[in-house]
Amino acid sequence: DTEVTQTPKHLVMGMTNKKSLKCEQHMGHRAMYWYKQKAKKPPELMFVYSYEKLSINESVPSRFSPECPNSSLLNLHLHALQPEDSALYLCASSQGGSPSMYFGPGTRLTVT
Amino acid sequence: GQNIDQPTEMTATEGAIVQINCTYQTSGFNGLFWYQQHAGEAPTFLSYNVLDGLEEKGRFSSFLSRSKGYSYLLLKELQMKDSASYLCAVTDSNYQLIWGAGTKLIIKP
Repeated sequence: DTEVTQTPKHLVMGMTNKKSLKCEQHMGHRAMYWYKQKAKKPPELMFVYSYEKLSINESVPSRFSPECPNSSLLNLHLHALQPEDSALYLCASSQGGSPSMYFGPGTRLTVT
Repeated sequence: GQNIDQPTEMTATEGAIVQINCTYQTSGFNGLFWYQQHAGEAPTFLSYNVLDGLEEKGRFSSFLSRSKGYSYLLLKELQMKDSASYLCAVTDSNYQLIWGAGTKLIIKP
């Protein structure tokens, strides 16, 4: 199983809403990532979890809050987002010692 | 600073060969990746080079020259489904992935 799953696929939320994005992998990967991608731009790294501990936070606003409940799951909690936060949010995972990074299908987020 | 350059857009004909170039200047080097991304979809892994030379995988090949800070992705026997963006990315000395802006490849019949 070389799959990373993400839910939901699409999300529309108002600026006062609270929502969560979910990501799951069962490849035994110990590093998991959140990326944000705007149209026609490369992915931008937001957070990295390594062995369930937050190892990198790329100066992301606090309205984005990551959580790693266990080695297979990664959540991104969203609160009080702005319209400019509308983007494709990608989850990825990788195994230490292996260069391959596997991406989930992404969640297309629209903030109204 | 860290910089990865690749052409913004390329056009090629179905059945032909196309080479997408990537040059990089990064603080350290721990490997170069090529990803394919169709519009609205997640990137998919194509290749990884850490040693100089050519890696061949079916219709796709990737080449690396570390001394020149240069890589290319070679796509043979182009098919319409190869129309996508191709992203070059380098892992730096901190094992962080630095992404190029991507090359949009348009395949014409």
